[in-house]
This record gives sequence, C-alpha cells and structure tokens, in this order.
Amino acid sequence: ETGVTQSPTHLIKTRGQQVTLRCSSQSGHNTVSWYQQALGQGPQFIFQYYREEENGRGNFPPRFSGLQFPNYSSELNVNALELDDSALYLCATWTWDYGYTFGSGTRLTVV
Amino acid sequence: GQQVMQIPQYQHVQEGEDFTTYCNSSTTLSNIQWYKQRPGGHPVFLIQLVKSGEVKKQKRLTFQFGEAKKNSSLHITATQTTDVGTYFCAGSGDGSSNTGKLIFGQGTTLQVKP
Repeated sequence: ETGVTQSPTHLIKTRGQQVTLRCSSQSGHNTVSWYQQALGQGPQFIFQYYREEENGRGNFPPRFSGLQFPNYSSELNVNALELDDSALYLCATWTWDYGYTFGSGTRLTVV
Repeated sequence: GQQVMQIPQYQHVQEGEDFTTYCNSSTTLSNIQWYKQRPGGHPVFLIQLVKSGEVKKQKRLTFQFGEAKKNSSLHITATQTTDVGTYFCAGSGDGSSNTGKLIFGQGTTLQVKP
C-alpha cells in the first residue's frame, strides 16, 4: 500500500472514446503529478497540479487534461483516444523523505 | 530538450555478481533520483542525490552523483534474486525536485540467475 490510490486498475477503451482516471492520497498532499509509462519505457511527465491549478506540463497534447479537487484528489482526462495512448498511467505525490510516491497505476488499453 | 540516457538496457547476472547501471543527462541536473520497478509494479523511490560528487549507500546499493551533476550510477554488490526489476534514474533540471517535472531514463532491467 503506497498511500496513493488509483482507479480503475485496468481499463479497455475504443479509439475515439474519452476516459477519466482517478487518484487520491491518504495524506492529502497538495501537489500531484501524472505520468504515462508506455511498455518498456520510463515514465513520461504529463502534468502537475498544485492547489487545484496546473503547475507544469510535459509534451502532451491538449486532449490530455486534468483536475485537482479541494480534497487534493485528482483526475486525468483523455479525449479522442488513440491507439498510442495505451499505457500505464501513474499519479504521484511528493515528500522530501520519500521522493515521489507513485500509485499502482491504471493500465489503459485502447483498441 | 533535456534527455536522460541509461545504459545498459538489460543486464543478466549470476546471483552474487555485482551490477552497475549508468545514467547520463544532456544538461546539468539540480538533483537525481533513483527508482526501482518490479515486473507488473510501479516505480518505488530509492534515493535522491543533490550535491556534486555525492555518494550514498543503502546496504548493498551505492549511488553516486557526478562532479558535473550530469551523470550518476547505481552499483549493487553481490546481487540477490530480490534485486530483480527495472532501475530508473530520473533527473530534475529546474531547481526544485518537488515542483518540476522529472525526466526519466529508459531504465535498466536486471535479471538475476539463482
């Protein structure tokens, strides 16, 4: 148990559909980051939220969007899904003692 | 853009042998972190290095940060089957490890034969 919970664990979607992935942390950290990890690759930074506002973005198109709520839970939304969006999506919170704590991830398959 | 490269991509060792993975950045890093990911799992934080030339040890694991803060290494002494997994280095170049994005290397996958 990492203290960071993601749902769902697995998801299958059809190309063109939209998907929402969710993340919450036990300690209510005010910073949450989202990463995409394609098979056999390192995680790639999508964006980060701090106190409900986007606070940094990687090289991902606008159809990747997010939200952070007052209770510091977070959502990642992806519109117009493409086959290449198939990946493990990870959210993470930060502490100085433990670095980034990743959730177990959501495995998204786009068919 | 900033790139972080790791070598080797794969390493197969006999249990008891040593293992080293190397990480190189195209730009100077403010800090470097190391993560381990078991097959089917998620990355787990191992350590963060901040100072030029820093060396840290965790039992059989030794982490180094280069003098120029552009490279790092992880060395495992006397590997065990529990060391199996993919080791990632991840760098931050924007001065703050908790507010900037991490750039991950592509990882080194370690297999240990008992």
